[in-house]
Amino acid sequence: EAGVTQFPSHSVIEKGQTVTLRCDPISGHDNLYWYRRVMGKEIKFLLHFVKESKQDESGMPNNRFLAERTGGTYSTLKVQPAELEDSGVYFCASRATALMNTEAFFGQGTRLTVV
Amino acid sequence: QKEVEQNSGPLSVPEGAIASLNCTYSDQGSQSFFWYRQYSGKSPELIMFIYSNGDKEDGRFTAQLNKASQYVSLLIRDSQPSDSATYLCAVNKGDFGNEKLTFGTGTRLTIIP
Repeated sequence: EAGVTQFPSHSVIEKGQTVTLRCDPISGHDNLYWYRRVMGKEIKFLLHFVKESKQDESGMPNNRFLAERTGGTYSTLKVQPAELEDSGVYFCASRATALMNTEAFFGQGTRLTVV
Repeated sequence: QKEVEQNSGPLSVPEGAIASLNCTYSDQGSQSFFWYRQYSGKSPELIMFIYSNGDKEDGRFTAQLNKASQYVSLLIRDSQPSDSATYLCAVNKGDFGNEKLTFGTGTRLTIIP
């Protein structure tokens, strides 16, 4: 069974450009999460989808970030326009159910560098 | 005060010894607690979770939870070089159906052969 896959693995863009990150969750997982780790800091929650609906987007830094999950399958996270402080590793995770103790499986992350 | 605190390390432990990793959390309403292991450049992978006070054992790993002290730990017995990684403590917060993980910064563990 394929795990959570993220594309691209690395992205280097200039300040002001747009970048779109993609996450393919494990098939059948309704719950999809985006997290981010900025250099030297902890992994922080950004957003939670249940199927195609945003359950919680309280962690999104500002309106330059837009997440979508069309059809409840893969998800994209767009940053427009990118700023230097957006650099970090963006992780996607998926979970089968909303039960409290079910495991969230993480992708390998997309390392975003804004220069 | 950070919501989840871990000693960043690095923690060096001789091969075959017990590695002890500690974590404290600030939200008394936290329900469940997770330990993830992350190798450099790889995805975090779940080692164990615990939600009841006391110990939970799985192979060489034992998680300990003390909700009164808001403390959770991970013990690794018979440490192996392959255990060298960053260990992330995470707390599950949020209402039912809206759980999300709050992480500590991680403890870097090195097992010395």
